Amino acid sequence: NAGVTQTPKFQVLKTGQSMTLQCAQDMNHEYMSWYRQDPGMGLRLIHYSVGAGITDQGEVPNGYNVSRSTTEDFPLRLLSAAPSQTSVYFCASSSGTSGGAREFFGPGTRLTVL
Amino acid sequence: AQSVSQHNHHVILSEAASLELGCNYSYGGTVNLFWYVQYPGQHLQLLLKYFSGDPLVKGIKGFEAEFIKSKFSFNLRKPSVQWSDTAEYFCAVNNHNTGKLIFGQGTTLQVKP
Repeated sequence: NAGVTQTPKFQVLKTGQSMTLQCAQDMNHEYMSWYRQDPGMGLRLIHYSVGAGITDQGEVPNGYNVSRSTTEDFPLRLLSAAPSQTSVYFCASSSGTSGGAREFFGPGTRLTVL
Repeated sequence: AQSVSQHNHHVILSEAASLELGCNYSYGGTVNLFWYVQYPGQHLQLLLKYFSGDPLVKGIKGFEAEFIKSKFSFNLRKPSVQWSDTAEYFCAVNNHNTGKLIFGQGTTLQVKP
C-alpha cells in the first residue's frame, strides 16, 4: 500500500493563478480531509468528505473547492491564489470514527503564493 | 463549536526531564482523542489515541496520555525525554457525529542534549 499520496511536493504560484493539489489513497477509506498547517495555528480543516459524492466545509473553506468523484481521490482546488494561502497542505484519510479508526496523513504540499 | 486548546506553545527541556503537555477540548458528546507528532521535515505521525476503555493510554516511544472526562483533558506525558523527542506535538479531537478531526495549535518541544 502506498497509503496517502500527494502531488506536488512543492509549488510556487503567482497571485491570481489557479491550481489543483492532488490527493489519493489506496486503503479504501471513506473519510478524506484537507488541512493547512500554519505556524502557531496548528492544522486547520479546509474541507472534508465522508464518501464519494459527499463533501463538506471545515474551519477555513474560503478560496478552496473540492470534489470527490471516486473513493480514492480528493483533489483540492485553489481558484485564485492569494498570498494568504501560502501554507503547507496535508491530505488525510481514515476509515471512520469508530473502533480503531485513525487518520493517515500524506507527506504534504508546500505552497508559496507570491 | 468544537475546539482544542494546547496550553504550551513552546517547551524547552533538558534530556531526562519529565514532560507533560496539556490539551483541553470543548465538546460534550462522544469523542476520540489523539496525539500526533511531527518531527522536523516530516509529516504527521500518530503517537497514541483514545477511543474507549482504560483512560490511561500508552503510545509509541514511551509516551502516554490520560483522558480525564470531567476536565475535558487529554494530557500527554513522558517520564524522561530524549533529544530525539524534539518535534512539534499536536492534540486532536474527532467528533463521532461528523467525523471531523480538529487540531490544537501545536506545541514545539525542544530537548537540549
